[in-house]
Amino acid sequence: DAGITQSPRHKVTETGTPVTLRCHQTENHRYMYWYRQDPGHGLRLIHYSYGVKDTDKGEVSDGYSVSRSKTEDFLLTLESATSSQTSVYFCAISDEQETQYFGPGTRLLVL
Amino acid sequence: AQKITQTQPGMFVQEKEAVTLDCTYDTSDQSYGLFWYKQPSSGEMIFLIYQGSYDEQNATEGRYSLNFQKARKSANLVISASQLGDSAMYFCAMREANTDKLIFGTGTRLQVFP
Repeated sequence: DAGITQSPRHKVTETGTPVTLRCHQTENHRYMYWYRQDPGHGLRLIHYSYGVKDTDKGEVSDGYSVSRSKTEDFLLTLESATSSQTSVYFCAISDEQETQYFGPGTRLLVL
Repeated sequence: AQKITQTQPGMFVQEKEAVTLDCTYDTSDQSYGLFWYKQPSSGEMIFLIYQGSYDEQNATEGRYSLNFQKARKSANLVISASQLGDSAMYFCAMREANTDKLIFGTGTRLQVFP
């Protein structure tokens, strides 16, 4: 199994509060990704990183920001959580043009 | 725009039988990659199999094979000798050319019955 952990694994928060999800890898892979999974949509890319401090937007980036200060950590921040951001969030890692491997996911409920 | 389509929301198969899960894709690129992932009820995403657009042979991994028909833009997953543990959601995904981003289909829920 790829060494990917996500924290927290479950979170309940209130609308308007900031939330940060953490993805940690021990594989030293260059690329890291954040996806959200919602019924009927499969997985959709939020943001990704191709190196320390190098990030770019994905398909559904509005309302989210990311940071990567170390190779092993990729943080996803919801500046002011909304109910539409209730979802399951997956982190993934890969090397260039290689298979992506996923973390266990974080279930976020915004009330 | 690039797109992955999985037209089967749910499939049933009897244990020990083979099953095909459909996936079609839309791209104007010549170079791309196709992936299948399994998501059991526990929620994790498990990589199953990969096919490159220039690969001449269909990919195989144990009981999984990918029926790649480039002209038809299809990349169907074939599971042989189904097991109860194969019951899960299955997602087809495509990697865009010259990027490392994946585009996912909406998935097919497979249920294997005894």
